[in-house]
Amino acid sequence: ELKVEQNPLFLSMQEGKNYTIYCNYSTTSDRLYWYRQDPGKSLESLFVLLSNGAVKQEGRLMASLDTKARLSTLHITAAVHDLSATYFCAVDGGYGNKLVFGAGTILRVKS
Amino acid sequence: KAGVTQTPRYLIKTRGQQVTLSCSPISGHRSVSWYQQTPGQGLQFLFEYFSETQRNKGNFPGRFSGRQFSNSRSEMNVSTLELGDSALYLCASSPGGAETQYFGPGTRLLVL
Repeated sequence: ELKVEQNPLFLSMQEGKNYTIYCNYSTTSDRLYWYRQDPGKSLESLFVLLSNGAVKQEGRLMASLDTKARLSTLHITAAVHDLSATYFCAVDGGYGNKLVFGAGTILRVKS
Repeated sequence: KAGVTQTPRYLIKTRGQQVTLSCSPISGHRSVSWYQQTPGQGLQFLFEYFSETQRNKGNFPGRFSGRQFSNSRSEMNVSTLELGDSALYLCASSPGGAETQYFGPGTRLLVL
Protein backbone atom coordinates (compact mmCIF):
# COMPACT_ATOMS: atom_id res chain seq x y z
CA GLU A 1 0.00 0.00 0.00
CA LEU A 2 1.34 3.40 -0.99
CA LYS A 3 2.24 5.63 1.94
CA VAL A 4 3.26 9.27 1.74
CA GLU A 5 5.11 10.97 4.56
CA GLN A 6 5.80 14.65 4.91
CA ASN A 7 8.11 16.37 7.31
CA PRO A 8 8.08 18.52 9.17
CA LEU A 9 4.38 18.60 10.00
CA PHE A 10 4.66 22.08 11.43
CA LEU A 11 7.11 24.77 10.43
CA SER A 12 7.42 28.19 11.96
CA MET A 13 9.73 30.46 10.01
CA GLN A 14 10.93 34.00 10.17
CA GLU A 15 10.38 36.15 7.12
CA GLY A 16 13.37 36.15 4.82
CA LYS A 17 14.58 32.68 5.81
CA ASN A 18 14.88 29.58 3.65
CA TYR A 19 13.54 26.14 4.42
CA THR A 20 12.65 22.82 2.82
CA ILE A 21 9.66 20.52 3.19
CA TYR A 22 10.29 16.85 2.46
CA CYS A 23 7.90 14.30 0.96
CA ASN A 24 8.81 10.61 0.96
CA TYR A 25 6.68 7.91 -0.60
CA SER A 26 6.84 4.16 -0.29
CA THR A 27 6.28 2.70 -3.76
CA THR A 28 7.31 3.62 -7.27
CA SER A 29 5.47 6.50 -8.85
CA ASP A 30 6.40 8.95 -11.57
CA ARG A 31 3.88 11.62 -10.69
CA LEU A 32 3.94 13.84 -7.68
CA TYR A 33 1.84 16.89 -6.93
CA TRP A 34 2.13 19.77 -4.51
CA TYR A 35 -0.96 21.60 -3.30
CA ARG A 36 -1.54 24.56 -1.03
CA GLN A 37 -4.50 24.94 1.31
CA ASP A 38 -5.41 28.14 3.16
CA PRO A 39 -7.53 27.82 6.32
CA GLY A 40 -11.12 26.97 5.50
CA LYS A 41 -10.37 26.85 1.79
CA SER A 42 -9.92 24.21 -0.87
CA LEU A 43 -6.72 22.91 -2.41
CA GLU A 44 -4.79 24.99 -4.91
CA SER A 45 -2.47 23.21 -7.34
CA LEU A 46 1.13 24.40 -7.13
CA PHE A 47 3.25 21.94 -9.06
CA VAL A 48 3.06 18.64 -10.88
CA LEU A 49 6.33 16.73 -11.23
CA LEU A 50 6.28 14.05 -13.88
CA SER A 51 9.75 12.57 -14.15
CA ASN A 52 12.92 11.90 -12.28
CA GLY A 53 14.95 15.05 -11.84
CA ALA A 54 12.01 17.33 -12.58
CA VAL A 55 12.31 20.78 -11.08
CA LYS A 56 9.59 23.42 -11.12
CA GLN A 57 9.74 26.94 -9.73
CA GLU A 58 7.10 29.55 -9.10
CA GLY A 59 8.04 32.67 -7.21
CA ARG A 60 9.64 31.76 -3.91
CA LEU A 61 8.72 28.08 -4.18
CA MET A 62 10.74 25.41 -5.95
CA ALA A 63 9.81 21.72 -6.12
CA SER A 64 11.95 18.80 -7.21
CA LEU A 65 11.50 15.07 -7.65
CA ASP A 66 13.92 12.17 -7.22
CA THR A 67 12.02 9.04 -8.19
CA LYS A 68 14.95 6.75 -7.34
CA ALA A 69 15.00 8.02 -3.77
CA ARG A 70 11.18 8.34 -3.75
CA LEU A 71 11.62 11.87 -2.47
CA SER A 72 10.29 15.26 -3.38
CA THR A 73 11.25 18.56 -1.83
CA LEU A 74 9.51 21.90 -1.70
CA HIS A 75 12.04 24.63 -1.07
CA ILE A 76 10.97 28.01 0.21
CA THR A 77 13.26 30.92 -0.48
CA ALA A 78 13.15 34.15 1.52
CA ALA A 79 9.78 33.38 3.06
CA VAL A 80 7.08 36.04 3.25
CA HIS A 81 3.93 36.06 5.38
CA ASP A 82 1.70 35.35 2.37
CA LEU A 83 3.21 31.88 2.12
CA SER A 84 1.59 30.87 5.41
CA ALA A 85 -0.67 27.91 4.56
CA THR A 86 -0.75 24.13 4.70
CA TYR A 87 1.22 22.39 1.97
CA PHE A 88 0.40 18.88 0.82
CA CYS A 89 2.27 16.54 -1.42
CA ALA A 90 0.30 13.85 -3.21
CA VAL A 91 1.42 10.85 -5.18
CA ASP A 92 -0.35 9.17 -8.04
CA GLY A 93 -1.87 6.09 -6.42
CA GLY A 94 -2.60 4.12 -9.57
CA TYR A 95 -5.36 3.72 -12.07
CA GLY A 96 -8.26 6.10 -11.87
CA ASN A 97 -6.69 9.35 -10.77
CA LYS A 98 -6.31 8.25 -7.16
CA LEU A 99 -4.09 10.61 -5.22
CA VAL A 100 -2.53 9.56 -1.93
CA PHE A 101 -1.80 12.60 0.19
CA GLY A 102 0.76 13.30 2.86
CA ALA A 103 -0.42 14.63 6.20
CA GLY A 104 0.43 18.19 5.22
CA THR A 105 2.93 20.72 6.52
CA ILE A 106 1.51 23.72 8.35
CA LEU A 107 3.73 26.67 7.50
CA ARG A 108 3.64 29.84 9.57
CA VAL A 109 5.82 32.73 8.49
CA LYS A 110 6.38 35.28 11.22
CA SER A 111 7.23 38.88 10.47
CA LYS B 1 -13.24 28.79 -17.58
CA ALA B 2 -15.37 28.34 -14.52
CA GLY B 3 -13.83 26.21 -11.82
CA VAL B 4 -15.15 23.15 -10.07
CA THR B 5 -18.36 23.87 -8.21
CA GLN B 6 -19.85 21.96 -5.31
CA THR B 7 -23.24 22.20 -3.70
CA PRO B 8 -24.26 22.62 -1.02
CA ARG B 9 -21.34 24.33 0.67
CA TYR B 10 -22.49 23.55 4.20
CA LEU B 11 -24.77 20.89 5.53
CA ILE B 12 -25.95 19.81 8.96
CA LYS B 13 -27.50 16.38 9.34
CA THR B 14 -28.32 14.03 12.19
CA ARG B 15 -27.14 10.49 12.70
CA GLY B 16 -28.96 7.95 10.60
CA GLN B 17 -29.92 10.37 7.87
CA GLN B 18 -28.56 10.26 4.37
CA VAL B 19 -26.99 13.03 2.31
CA THR B 20 -26.26 13.73 -1.34
CA LEU B 21 -23.50 16.06 -2.43
CA SER B 22 -23.08 17.41 -5.94
CA CYS B 23 -20.05 18.33 -8.00
CA SER B 24 -19.84 20.04 -11.38
CA PRO B 25 -16.42 19.68 -13.01
CA ILE B 26 -14.57 22.16 -15.16
CA SER B 27 -16.04 22.22 -18.64
CA GLY B 28 -14.47 19.51 -20.76
CA HIS B 29 -13.19 17.49 -17.82
CA ARG B 30 -14.45 13.94 -17.77
CA SER B 31 -12.86 12.67 -14.57
CA VAL B 32 -14.29 13.50 -11.16
CA SER B 33 -12.68 12.32 -7.93
CA TRP B 34 -14.00 12.64 -4.41
CA TYR B 35 -11.95 13.04 -1.23
CA GLN B 36 -12.78 13.26 2.45
CA GLN B 37 -10.75 15.58 4.65
CA THR B 38 -10.78 15.28 8.43
CA PRO B 39 -8.35 16.55 11.08
CA GLY B 40 -7.63 13.00 12.22
CA GLN B 41 -7.31 11.10 8.94
CA GLY B 42 -6.27 13.87 6.59
CA LEU B 43 -7.19 13.71 2.92
CA GLN B 44 -8.50 10.33 1.83
CA PHE B 45 -9.58 9.20 -1.61
CA LEU B 46 -13.19 8.04 -1.86
CA PHE B 47 -13.69 7.18 -5.52
CA GLU B 48 -13.21 8.41 -9.06
CA TYR B 49 -15.52 8.43 -12.05
CA PHE B 50 -14.70 8.76 -15.70
CA SER B 51 -17.33 8.70 -18.42
CA GLU B 52 -19.96 7.50 -15.94
CA THR B 53 -17.84 4.55 -14.80
CA GLN B 54 -16.19 4.16 -11.43
CA ARG B 55 -12.53 3.47 -12.10
CA ASN B 56 -11.14 3.33 -8.59
CA LYS B 57 -12.44 3.23 -5.05
CA GLY B 58 -10.86 3.96 -1.70
CA ASN B 59 -11.24 2.09 1.57
CA PHE B 60 -14.60 3.39 2.68
CA PRO B 61 -17.67 1.41 3.71
CA GLY B 62 -20.47 0.76 1.28
CA ARG B 63 -22.48 3.58 2.85
CA PHE B 64 -20.44 5.85 0.62
CA SER B 65 -21.47 5.70 -3.01
CA GLY B 66 -21.33 7.88 -6.03
CA ARG B 67 -22.33 8.25 -9.62
CA GLN B 68 -21.55 10.34 -12.65
CA PHE B 69 -23.93 11.62 -15.24
CA SER B 70 -23.46 11.94 -18.98
CA ASN B 71 -22.59 15.64 -18.60
CA SER B 72 -19.76 14.62 -16.21
CA ARG B 73 -21.49 16.06 -13.15
CA SER B 74 -21.11 13.77 -10.19
CA GLU B 75 -22.93 13.09 -6.97
CA MET B 76 -21.87 11.25 -3.88
CA ASN B 77 -24.25 9.81 -1.37
CA VAL B 78 -23.68 8.82 2.23
CA SER B 79 -26.38 6.73 3.83
CA THR B 80 -26.97 6.11 7.52
CA LEU B 81 -24.76 8.98 8.61
CA GLU B 82 -22.43 8.53 11.56
CA LEU B 83 -20.78 11.20 13.69
CA GLY B 84 -17.44 10.28 12.14
CA ASP B 85 -18.68 11.27 8.70
CA SER B 86 -18.38 14.92 9.68
CA ALA B 87 -15.76 16.23 7.29
CA LEU B 88 -14.95 18.46 4.38
CA TYR B 89 -15.81 16.62 1.17
CA LEU B 90 -13.82 17.76 -1.81
CA CYS B 91 -14.29 16.88 -5.41
CA ALA B 92 -11.68 17.36 -8.07
CA SER B 93 -11.80 17.22 -11.83
CA SER B 94 -9.28 16.57 -14.56
CA PRO B 95 -9.49 15.94 -18.28
CA GLY B 96 -9.25 12.20 -17.80
CA GLY B 97 -5.68 11.03 -17.77
CA ALA B 98 -3.16 11.44 -15.00
CA GLU B 99 -3.16 15.22 -15.18
CA THR B 100 -3.43 17.75 -12.41
CA GLN B 101 -6.68 17.53 -10.50
CA TYR B 102 -8.43 20.81 -9.79
CA PHE B 103 -10.35 20.94 -6.56
CA GLY B 104 -13.69 22.52 -5.79
CA PRO B 105 -14.44 24.59 -2.68
CA GLY B 106 -15.78 21.59 -0.80
CA THR B 107 -18.91 20.72 1.12
CA ARG B 108 -18.57 20.89 4.87
CA LEU B 109 -20.79 18.25 6.46
CA LEU B 110 -21.58 18.23 10.15
CA VAL B 111 -23.34 15.20 11.57
CA LEU B 112 -25.01 15.73 14.95
